[in-house]
Amino acid sequence: QQPVQSPQAVILREGEDAVINCSSSKALYSVHWYRQKHGEAPVFLMILLKGGEQKGHEKISASFNEKKQQSSLYLTASQLSYSGTYFCGTEIWETSGSRLTFGEGTQLTVNP
Amino acid sequence: DTGVSQDPRHKITKRGQNVTFRCDPISEHNRLYWYRQTLGQGPEFLTYFQNEAQLEKSRLLSDRFSAERPKGSFSTLEIQRTEQGDSAMYLCASSPPSAFSYEQYFGPGTRLTVT
Repeated sequence: QQPVQSPQAVILREGEDAVINCSSSKALYSVHWYRQKHGEAPVFLMILLKGGEQKGHEKISASFNEKKQQSSLYLTASQLSYSGTYFCGTEIWETSGSRLTFGEGTQLTVNP
Repeated sequence: DTGVSQDPRHKITKRGQNVTFRCDPISEHNRLYWYRQTLGQGPEFLTYFQNEAQLEKSRLLSDRFSAERPKGSFSTLEIQRTEQGDSAMYLCASSPPSAFSYEQYFGPGTRLTVT
C-alpha cells in the first residue's frame, strides 16, 4: 500500500522552515527519505528505523512515530538547493531488506 | 567514491523491439534493486537481488521483463516486445551489506522512450 505524503507542494522563501509528512496504513520497519531534482536520480537523505535509529543528512532531521506509522521530515533554514521533490519510501516488516514503496512526492520550491 | 552507474542513459526504440539496460552497483553492495518511474510519480519497485539471487519480483512485472545478476555484481534488465506503456525512467539502486539497515543509493537512470 502506497504511503500518503502531505502536503503535495509547498513554496518557501529562503530561510523558512518546512515539514513534510508521510503516513502508512501498514506496520513499518523503516522510512527512507529522498530528494529528487528534475531529470536526476533520487538522492538518499535519511533512513529511520523502528527502535529509533537514524542515519542521514546532517542538516535535515526527521522523526518516526512507530505507533502511528508516520514520519515527518523537517527542513530548517531552507536554502535554494533544497528545491526538489521529496519522496518517502516505506519498508514493511514482511519485506524488510527488499522493496521500498514510495509516496507520490512533495514538491518543494525555495525562492530567494 | 564511485556511485551506481547505468547504461545507456537514454534509449529510444520502436514498439515491438527488445531493449536491455545495465546497472553497475556501488562496489561491495550486495543488494540491487530495479525501479520504474513515470512523470510525477514516485519510483515503483520492479525486482530485487541479494548477491546473484533474485529474491523478489513485483506482480506488475510482466513476462516481457527479465532481470539477471549473474555474478552478483552488475545487473541487466531486459524488456521484450516493448510497448508504449513501457516508456519511463528505469532506476537501479544498490544497498550495502547490513543486518538491519538497508538504505538504497540510486543510479542516474535510463530513460526509455517507445515510439
